[in-house]
Amino acid sequence: DTGVSQNPRHKITKRGQNVTFRCDPISEHNRLYWYRQTLGQGPEFLTYFQNEAQLEKSRLLSDRFSAERPKGSFSTLEIQRTEQGDSAMYLCASSLGADYNSPLHFGNGTRLTVT
Amino acid sequence: TQLLEQSPQFLSIQEGENLTVYCNSSSVFSSLQWYRQEPGEGPVLLVTVVTGGEVKKLKRLTFQFGDARKDSSLHITAAQPGDTGLYLCGNSGSRLTFGEGTQLTVNP
Repeated sequence: DTGVSQNPRHKITKRGQNVTFRCDPISEHNRLYWYRQTLGQGPEFLTYFQNEAQLEKSRLLSDRFSAERPKGSFSTLEIQRTEQGDSAMYLCASSLGADYNSPLHFGNGTRLTVT
Repeated sequence: TQLLEQSPQFLSIQEGENLTVYCNSSSVFSSLQWYRQEPGEGPVLLVTVVTGGEVKKLKRLTFQFGDARKDSSLHITAAQPGDTGLYLCGNSGSRLTFGEGTQLTVNP
């Protein structure tokens, strides 16, 4: 169990640029989640995959945000035309099984700074 | 939309003191999870509570789930600096929804 891996750990970009983050979940986990967290706040749900299917999306996920999990393994989160308000920690988590009580295993996040 | 309120928002105590933090919901929890998050890291699960009135213990941490499953508390006995972190409660479900957290600082 190597844990959930997120890359890069830090990303600084200029407003208007596109960025893409990658998440590698724990290998046998079928569910994958993306959250956004700003300083001093709890994580906010963005989207959730079961295998390769994106089953839920928050209304926080504007048209500029897109997430994929093409083979049901790793996932990418892309933000187009970044804005300063997108600056946050982006957390990925994975879990196993059909039971929604299963624990979420989080990565250490990608910290995005938009200048 | 279920709203989760955690209190207090900030708590700073001395090593050895006891403390309790709270999580309240506007509606019934299906089940509830408590996580702890340290700076620069993702949250880590502490416990899941499912049944109203349930009490679970994890070393010096005691978790209670309200009878009506709308509230929960986390009590820490003899706090240590290693307990410092952001304590989050979340409503289990297809989208785990978190409260704003309680930022705990335990000073040596």
